[in-house]
Amino acid sequence: AQSVTQLGSHVSVSEGALVLLRCNYSSSVPPYLFWYVQYPNQGLQLLLKYTTGATLVKGINGFEAEFKKSETSFHLTKPSAHMSDAAEYFCAVSMSGGSNYKLTFGKGTLLTVNP
Amino acid sequence: DVKVTQSSRYLVKRTGEKVFLECVQDMDHENMFWYRQDPGLGLRLIYFSYDVKMKEKGDIPEGYSVSREKKERFSLILESASTNQTSMYLCASSLKGSYNQPQHFGDGTRLSIL
Repeated sequence: AQSVTQLGSHVSVSEGALVLLRCNYSSSVPPYLFWYVQYPNQGLQLLLKYTTGATLVKGINGFEAEFKKSETSFHLTKPSAHMSDAAEYFCAVSMSGGSNYKLTFGKGTLLTVNP
Repeated sequence: DVKVTQSSRYLVKRTGEKVFLECVQDMDHENMFWYRQDPGLGLRLIYFSYDVKMKEKGDIPEGYSVSREKKERFSLILESASTNQTSMYLCASSLKGSYNQPQHFGDGTRLSIL
C-alpha cells in the first residue's frame, strides 16, 4: 500500500526566508507525486506534479520540488517566502498499477509567514 | 480551466436527517471523488466513481452512499446524519486513463450536524 508522511504539521518562516516542506512516501512501484495548496475556505489547487523524466519539478508561484528516489522524498521548496504563501500544503502520491487512480494524501503542513 | 462546483459552501442539518451534497464538473472527466477533510487527519477518501453508475468504496465509506446518474454529477448522501459527520467535504474530478492526471477540486462544503 502507498502512504505519504509530511514531517511537521506546522511550519513558520519569516517573509523572504527559504520555505522547505517535507514529504516522504512509500510505494512498491514508481510513484506519481503531487503537491497541492489550500488557501483558507477554498478547495485544493495543484502546485506541481512529478510523473517521469526530470526529477526537479517547477510549479506555480515560484515553488519547486525534487524527486529523490533513494530517499523516497519529494520535498517542496521556495527560495523566498511571501505573505501570500500562507496556506496549508498537501503532498499526495498516485501509484501506477494501483486502484483506479486514487490519490493518497499526507496530513498536510500549515505554513505561516511572519512579516 | 476545469470547474468543479459544489452546490453549497455551508450547510447545517440535524441529527438523523438525510443529507445530499451535490457536485458538478464541466470537463467531461470520467473519475469523480468525495473526500472529507478534518484537522490533523488530512483528506480521507469516502467514495469514488470511474464511470456513470459505477462506484467504489474509499477508505471511510461507513454512513455514506453515492449516486452517479450522469457523467458530470456526483452526489454524496448521508443516510442518517450524525454529529461525527460534521466536517469539510471536498469533491474532485480527474481524467481516466492515466495515473499522472491531477485531481481538480471544488471549494468544499462545510457541513455541520447539530
